[in-house]
Amino acid sequence: KAGVTQTPRYLIKTRGQQVTLSCSPISGHRSVSWYQQTPGQGLQFLFEYFSETQRNKGNFPGRFSGRQFSNSRSEMNVSTLELGDSALYLCASSLGRTGGANYGYTFGSGTRLTVV
Amino acid sequence: QKEVEQNSGPLSAPEGAIASLNCTYSDRVSQSFFWYRQYSGKSPELIMSIYSNGDKEDGRFTAQLNKASQYVSLLIRDSQPSDSATYLCAAVNSGTYKYIFGTGTRLKVLA
Repeated sequence: KAGVTQTPRYLIKTRGQQVTLSCSPISGHRSVSWYQQTPGQGLQFLFEYFSETQRNKGNFPGRFSGRQFSNSRSEMNVSTLELGDSALYLCASSLGRTGGANYGYTFGSGTRLTVV
Repeated sequence: QKEVEQNSGPLSAPEGAIASLNCTYSDRVSQSFFWYRQYSGKSPELIMSIYSNGDKEDGRFTAQLNKASQYVSLLIRDSQPSDSATYLCAAVNSGTYKYIFGTGTRLKVLA
């Protein structure tokens, strides 16, 4: 069973540029969430998509956006990159929730973004 | 109060001992709780989920949920140097259904 695939694995961008990261979830998983991880801040939630709809959003500026396609693949975009956007960006897929319980996440390997 | 809190460690345990990791949570999180393990330079990996009060065992791992005291623990029996990693506790916000992660506890198992 294929895992969560994130591309690219590494990116180096210049301040002011924009970047698009891609995530293909596990087959059958309709929930895709994005996280930013930095040594100082830990895992920070960006957004969650379920069946092409944004279900939740974290406290990030509007420069961070995302979308989900009908095949559950998701992309996130960061415009006007800042040095502080350098981080590991993780995608996580899950079956979502049922009743009062949530399913656990399977994380991709991440995209390490460096802004210079 | 943060929704999910963990001691950052590092927590040291000798090889073969029981390593105990703790996490407390606020009233704002629901009854879905998770433990993830993250090795340095790798992404988090789900090792346990627990939904009901009490213990849940899976191999060398036992998750314990105590709703009255609002904590969830992870016990690692016969700990091995390969268990050295950061352990992340996560819970789900009752209103928004957002996952909330703790900052993680770094565990070092000494050979």
